[in-house]
Amino acid sequence: NAGVTQTPKFQVLKTGQSMTLQCAQDMNHEYMSWYRQDPGMGLRLIHYSVGAGITDQGEVPNGYNVSRSTTEDFPLRLLSAAPSQTSVYFCASSRTSNQPQHFGDGTRLSIL
Amino acid sequence: SQQGEEDPQALSIQEGENATMNCSYKTSINNLQWYRQNSGRGLVHLILIRSNEREKHSGRLRVTLDTSKKSSSLLITASRAADTASYFCATDDYKLSFGAGTTVTVRA
Repeated sequence: NAGVTQTPKFQVLKTGQSMTLQCAQDMNHEYMSWYRQDPGMGLRLIHYSVGAGITDQGEVPNGYNVSRSTTEDFPLRLLSAAPSQTSVYFCASSRTSNQPQHFGDGTRLSIL
Repeated sequence: SQQGEEDPQALSIQEGENATMNCSYKTSINNLQWYRQNSGRGLVHLILIRSNEREKHSGRLRVTLDTSKKSSSLLITASRAADTASYFCATDDYKLSFGAGTTVTVRA
């Protein structure tokens, strides 16, 4: 049972490049979410999904897109990377939004 | 904006001592959760307390909730070096919102 798997673990991008952060879970969880963690800021919600085909914006959605074509996968796309998006990104899943979240180990992203 | 705020921001204690951290929040909640994050890792769920509960225990962890004061506390008893981590509260209105965390260092 792998839980929540995030890839890649580390990535360096140049300003303006695009990329997709992958997140997969094998627990058949309906609720999935993406957070970014910056020093002193805690975790801030980017986007979330309550099930396949349903996504919604969180606290800091600008510059990011998501889709949820399957229950298992919830990729996060950076359309045109900016230095302000340098952060650690965490994906999480749970049965519902008010149940304990299972987190991946994060993707450390640097934008130069 | 963040719903929960932890206090203190950092805490350093001797092994065997108790560690207490607090969380304050702004609006009504369904439940409140506490998480631990070890350096370089994702968050791990510790305990969930519902809005109609006042106290909950799990091993060496004790969580209290005072909805009238919109606050919660996490007590770790008989701390160990392995308890060194950051601790976050998360409140649920219709989605989880995390605070900035309390960094706990347990000295051997």
